[in-house]
This record gives sequence, C-alpha cells and structure tokens, in this order.
Amino acid sequence: DVKVTQSSRYLVKRTGEKVFLECVQDMDHENMFWYRQDPGLGLRLIYFSYDVKMKEKGDIPEGYSVSREKKERFSLILESASTNQTSMYLCASRAVNTEAFFGQGTRLTVV
Amino acid sequence: AQTVTQSQPEMSVQEAETVTLSCTYDTSENNYYLFWYKQPPSRQMILVIRQEAYKQQNATENRFSVNFQKAAKSFSLKISDSQLGDTAMYFCAFMKLIQGAQKLVFGQGTRLTINP
Repeated sequence: DVKVTQSSRYLVKRTGEKVFLECVQDMDHENMFWYRQDPGLGLRLIYFSYDVKMKEKGDIPEGYSVSREKKERFSLILESASTNQTSMYLCASRAVNTEAFFGQGTRLTVV
Repeated sequence: AQTVTQSQPEMSVQEAETVTLSCTYDTSENNYYLFWYKQPPSRQMILVIRQEAYKQQNATENRFSVNFQKAAKSFSLKISDSQLGDTAMYFCAFMKLIQGAQKLVFGQGTRLTINP
C-alpha cells in the first residue's frame, strides 16, 4: 500500500514563526502536492512538484514556499506564520495518470 | 471561475437509501480524469472511484457508481444501500494539465450524513 506520512497531526505556532510541514511518500511518485482545506472552500492547491527540485505555484501560493530536495520528501514552509494560515494542510502524491494518495493531514493553529 | 462545482454543501439520508451527489466541471480538454474522494471524520482522504473521460462506460465500485455525462460536463456519484460508514465529506476532483504537469482540482465538498 502507498503510504504518505505527514510529520504532525496537530501544530500550534505563534504569529511570525517560521513553520515547516513535512511530507514523505514511499512509492517513488513523481508528483507531490500541498493543499489547504477550509470549510466551504474544499481543497485549494498551494504548491506542487513534478520532480526533484522542481516546483510550481498552485492557486494560493502567497505566504508559502516549498522544498523538494529528495524525491520522497516535499516540505511546505510558512515563512512568517499568520492567523489566516490557520487551517488543515493535506499532502498528496501520485504517479502520472493515477489517482492521488493523501496523508492524514496536519491541523495548524496560528495564535 | 471555479473549475469543479459541488452544489450540495450538505445531504442527509436514512440508512439503506440511495443518494446521489452532484458535480459539474469546466474544461476545454477532451482527455482527462475525474475522481470522487471520501474524507471520513478520521480525516484520511481515500479514493472512492475514478473515471477516464475517453471511456463511455460509467465506472462502478460495489455500491458506488457514477453517472458521467461528458457533453454536459457532469459527474455525479450514486451510493446505493447507504451505510453508516458512508458518513463523510465527499469531494469531486478533476485532473487537468497545467504547465506540463497534471494538477488535481477539487470541488467544495458535500457533507453526507447517513442516519440510522
């Protein structure tokens, strides 16, 4: 079975902190994604990567950056956390032309 | 403009009933993929069913089936003989090619409650 693991299920951070969300997949997938999920808005794509060191902006990249130094790991970085970044963050990975597999999600609260 | 639209924020049915969740999407492409995902209260998002646009036959997975209307750009999910364990958020998703990479775009979700 494909496994996508996010490093934390719950995080509480202070405004202005630099926050790292880590995601690791074990199926050698080329594509990895970061979404945020908010009630009534569904999942919105923040960033995605289709290869090591490659990244593309999604629909809401402002305030975020990403890093993909190894194929199995895709990190989401909040450079200076703000309260409007309080949300559920979901990581996903997939091979070409297949469905996406998701991590368990990280509930981030910025206070 | 929203690429994927789920017009039913919430639905509720009795156990054993049949329920249909609606989804419409917007694209000018001819070949693409559509998915329905389920997110139970435990939060892990899991795939329910997928449909390739080039296939005319509607996909079926046990109690789950889709009604894919390509010309109308409609992709509804039918759950037959609903069970308590079907209670979840359901998301419709469309895969499209952007800047040489495939992106999954999701709808707003439908919260489905199955009542005993």
